[in-house]
Amino acid sequence: DAKTTQPTSMDCAEGRAANLPCNHSTISGNEYVYWYRQIHSQGPQYIIHGLKNNETNEMASLIITEDRKSSTLILPHATLRDTAVYYCIVRSHTGANSKLTFGKGITLSVRP
Amino acid sequence: NAGVTQTPKFQVLKTGQSMTLQCAQDMNHNSMYWYRQDPGMGLRLIYYSASEGTTDKGEVPNGYNVSRLNKREFSLRLESAAPSQTSVYFCASSEWNPDHEQFFGPGTRLTVL
Repeated sequence: DAKTTQPTSMDCAEGRAANLPCNHSTISGNEYVYWYRQIHSQGPQYIIHGLKNNETNEMASLIITEDRKSSTLILPHATLRDTAVYYCIVRSHTGANSKLTFGKGITLSVRP
Repeated sequence: NAGVTQTPKFQVLKTGQSMTLQCAQDMNHNSMYWYRQDPGMGLRLIYYSASEGTTDKGEVPNGYNVSRLNKREFSLRLESAAPSQTSVYFCASSEWNPDHEQFFGPGTRLTVL
């Protein structure tokens, strides 16, 4: 069973914010939301993760709704190099659900 | 630091042939992983090694074996390759604490004819 659902694709203009949505309505209290991305043909790259508070780092911001059933990854100023597949992953930090399970992700295309 | 390195980058095999994919990391990580990625799909975990001397099955282990040679190296072996094993194989490493990110290698593109 998929733990997350993401749109198949989206695009945004270079320099604008890219807001990537993710639904995880069955998330458990001890499960975190992780985001990875995969630029064409390369290995995935970690972006950010969070439990219930919003998080920000040098790459992106993660906004998690109060009920934790959905989240949004924000790339504040998208560049052409941000064109990639973005994976939203729900995982716990203990037990059988601590593995990274990749779905199909969302393909973000940044246009000039 | 080279991070996670994988060899070879490309390989073509005939059905029934065997080969070993090599992976090494220089970040002193305890945990290492092997994934496969089929076209248009996400990554699926084949095997992982939480620490030196231990290995465990992931989601799709059939047809594969692994060896954690030492803390740095984790190899994946196909004893009798099948066309269904045509895929891109990624190795990754991390600290065992899941709060730490996984670092991925560049991948090995394997075609089985």
